[in-house]
Amino acid sequence: DVKVTQSSRYLVKRTGEKVFLECVQDMDHENMFWYRQDPGLGLRLIYFSYDVKMKEKGDIPEGYSVSREKKERFSLILESASTNQTSMYLCASSPNTDSYEQYFGPGTRLTVT
Amino acid sequence: GQSLEQPSEVTAVEGAIVQINCTYQTSGFYGLSWYQQHDGGAPTFLSYNALDGLEETGRFSSFLSRSDSYGYLLLQELQMKDSASYFCAVRDHEGNTPLVFGKGTRLSVIA
Repeated sequence: DVKVTQSSRYLVKRTGEKVFLECVQDMDHENMFWYRQDPGLGLRLIYFSYDVKMKEKGDIPEGYSVSREKKERFSLILESASTNQTSMYLCASSPNTDSYEQYFGPGTRLTVT
Repeated sequence: GQSLEQPSEVTAVEGAIVQINCTYQTSGFYGLSWYQQHDGGAPTFLSYNALDGLEETGRFSSFLSRSDSYGYLLLQELQMKDSASYFCAVRDHEGNTPLVFGKGTRLSVIA
């Protein structure tokens, strides 16, 4: 079974802090994604990556950056956390560019106070 | 722009059949997927349609009409455990493009 893990289920940070959210997949998938999920807004794509060291902006990249130094790991960085970044963050992976199935991690619920 | 429209909430009775619709307006179309997400859980893949017609997987079926830019997820013999949010998602380009997700439909199954 594909496993996508995220470093924390719950995280509380203060405004202005630098926040790292880590995601690891164990199935040698090419593609990895970061979404945030808010009530009534569904899943919104922040960034995605199709290969090591490659990244593409999604629909809402402002205030975020990413890093993919190894194939299995995709990190989301909040350079200076703000209260409007309080949300559920979901990481996903898929095998390759022809894949229609994404595998999601359990999510990190981030609260910024 | 791209948009996927699905009802925000649906309520149905245990044992009944429910249909969750999804209409899409995208620049291209390379398939419609459905995902299920229980409260506090991760979305999980349910089904995929690339061609017109009905795909059946147990109690769940998914339908696609590309000419109508429309699809639906059909859940039969509803069980309480089917209470969850359901998302449709479209791939609108070939190659390295992510899925475009709808905002989700919250299904409540009542006794």
